[in-house]
Amino acid sequence: QKEVEQNSGPLSVPEGAIASLNCTYSDRGSQSFFWYRQYSGKSPELIMSIYSNGDKEDGRFTAQLNKASQYVSLLIRDSQPSDSATYLCAVPLSGGYNKLIFGAGTRLAVHP
Amino acid sequence: GAVVSQHPSRVICKSGTSVKIECRSLDFQATTMFWYRQFPKQSLMLMATSNEGSKATYEQGVEKDKFLINHASLTLSTLTVTSAHPEDSSFYICSAPYIQGNTIYFGEGSWLTVV
Repeated sequence: QKEVEQNSGPLSVPEGAIASLNCTYSDRGSQSFFWYRQYSGKSPELIMSIYSNGDKEDGRFTAQLNKASQYVSLLIRDSQPSDSATYLCAVPLSGGYNKLIFGAGTRLAVHP
Repeated sequence: GAVVSQHPSRVICKSGTSVKIECRSLDFQATTMFWYRQFPKQSLMLMATSNEGSKATYEQGVEKDKFLINHASLTLSTLTVTSAHPEDSSFYICSAPYIQGNTIYFGEGSWLTVV
């Protein structure tokens, strides 16, 4: 079983809709979770981090964490064409807070 | 502000030669940095952990003699791809934890093409 799993997509949503991106992880001891956005040919940029169960909102982005289900998601409200990118879920390896393991990424396409 | 800078952003080298990629933390110190590799349409794969003042630790399957890592100061880690081959062509990315901000910054990445 992969440590971090994501649906590779592509996920296609119309402009203005809500995009929902999902991620599951295998290590029950994981305490922190990160969502990165990566445009083609560019380095990842941090969108959200979440550490506690529940929701965390930042602008149009909401991260949701359920540790019991080992599930973390990212919602993007009012999706824009500029949100079209690959979204990477990342979880630190046990014992290594900063040693991130990435999922395969979900490609999001927002069409006008 | 805290930034991680990589250089060069793009490099083309001949097969059999060696290439050095630098990763610098700007305005903060990083005792640990991480090197990733990303092939087209694939995710980032962790290659190794660079430790200031000591040997790097490599992930399983990564050849330490081929990918030399040196972390000589608190703001600089270098990755040298030795005897490069076309299959080493990839996007190499470094990251550094910014402890004060409780976050991890990534460099801009370096595209390596071996011809």
